[in-house]
Amino acid sequence: GESVGLHLPTLSVQEGDNSIINCAYSNSASDYFIWYKQESGKGPQFIIDIRSNMDKRQGQRVTVLLNKTVKHLSLQIAATQPGDSAVYFCAETRPGTYKYIFGTGTRLKVLA
Amino acid sequence: DADVTQTPRNRITKTGKRIMLECSQTKGHDRMYWYRQDPGLGLRLIYYSFDVKDINKGEISDGYSVSRQAQAKFSLSLESAIPNQTALYFCATSDFSIAGGGDEQFFGPGTRLTVL
Repeated sequence: GESVGLHLPTLSVQEGDNSIINCAYSNSASDYFIWYKQESGKGPQFIIDIRSNMDKRQGQRVTVLLNKTVKHLSLQIAATQPGDSAVYFCAETRPGTYKYIFGTGTRLKVLA
Repeated sequence: DADVTQTPRNRITKTGKRIMLECSQTKGHDRMYWYRQDPGLGLRLIYYSFDVKDINKGEISDGYSVSRQAQAKFSLSLESAIPNQTALYFCATSDFSIAGGGDEQFFGPGTRLTVL
């Protein structure tokens, strides 16, 4: 089985409820943030991104909130479905740099 | 068909062996990256390449080398594998961001490497 998810914090939610996954980022100069979803046996998949000139961005069933004051990023998933079960992690980067800093991730478990 | 492919998907090898992991992409992106993923840690950058003639070390390049054979191909080699190189390895690509700053990275499915 997958070893990537070991030792990760886990969020368990009931199917149909909303999920909120949090991320504390490290660099106040970071200006671009991404949320990724990683299912078992697969590579990370882009969900949504946000630039530092925004506080909120919405996608299909997902919303990302950015609080630059406390360097906090959150991912909200509306009406969570079984297919949302995965590890979610954030990434940040600064202007003009190649380097992305990835969080360790949170495992989301959707209970039927 | 997948935009970013990696071969092999799984590999078990012995200490001291030379291993090559391959990555191909059909996205037409100039930028390619190799990461490793370990339990409880975020993705860590091994090497990156912004075009065929540009190769750069990432934060954990020791024990690894890369080759950018073409825009679409970027391979990672372990010259003499050791057990602490047991990990999941991901290739990623990205395009130049017109908006500046960061840009989305597209990941391959990963290679699970075990070094005994």
